Amino acid sequence: DQQVKQNSPSLSVQEGRISILNCDYTNSMFDYFLWYKKYPAEGPTFLISISSIKDKNEDGRFTVFLNKSAKHLSLHIVPSQPGDSAVYFCAASDRGSTLGRLYFGRGTQLTVWP
Amino acid sequence: NAGVMQNPRHLVRRRGQEARLRCSPMKGHSHVYWYRQLPEEGLKFMVYLQKENIIDESGMPKERFSAEFPKEGPSILRIQQVVRGDSAAYFCASSKGSNQPQHFGDGTRLSIL
Repeated sequence: DQQVKQNSPSLSVQEGRISILNCDYTNSMFDYFLWYKKYPAEGPTFLISISSIKDKNEDGRFTVFLNKSAKHLSLHIVPSQPGDSAVYFCAASDRGSTLGRLYFGRGTQLTVWP
Repeated sequence: NAGVMQNPRHLVRRRGQEARLRCSPMKGHSHVYWYRQLPEEGLKFMVYLQKENIIDESGMPKERFSAEFPKEGPSILRIQQVVRGDSAAYFCASSKGSNQPQHFGDGTRLSIL
């Protein structure tokens, strides 16, 4: 049962434009959300997180938006750079009952072209 | 390098052999997590450990798989009598606390012949 879903397997964006990666979840108990970036043959790298008490968190070029009523979050990257080309994973946890366990989506391959 | 260290990076085993995967957490981190990634899929949680304790092993297969995080030394994920279906990338992550972001190692790619 996939509780975190990334419905777009790939996204292609021109350098300098905005990249928007989307993520949906089904478990209303999730209260903490994270985005990771992954290059081939490497482990996921933590990018940014957001708690369910917020609806936006920003860190440099990365902004995460959370819409709890829609059970939807998105990661905005602006401006996009070729080095951002990677697989992006959305993850969620229910810190109240499952402590540190993270539930991951299947990832979205972002390609940023010059 | 103060990151999460996993070894070996690649491990080849024949069916029926044992596989041991090691993970040293980031300095200052006492929480360790193991995840498995099959091709074209996301990471799936296996087990969460603190020093000498298993906190949550609900993602571990009931047989052949075990994990430990001893007082001294790295965390070990052990797979006995490996089968072809165990072929995957196994990632370890660590954090300062259960409510803190998890930081991942580069994984061990396990191949079963």
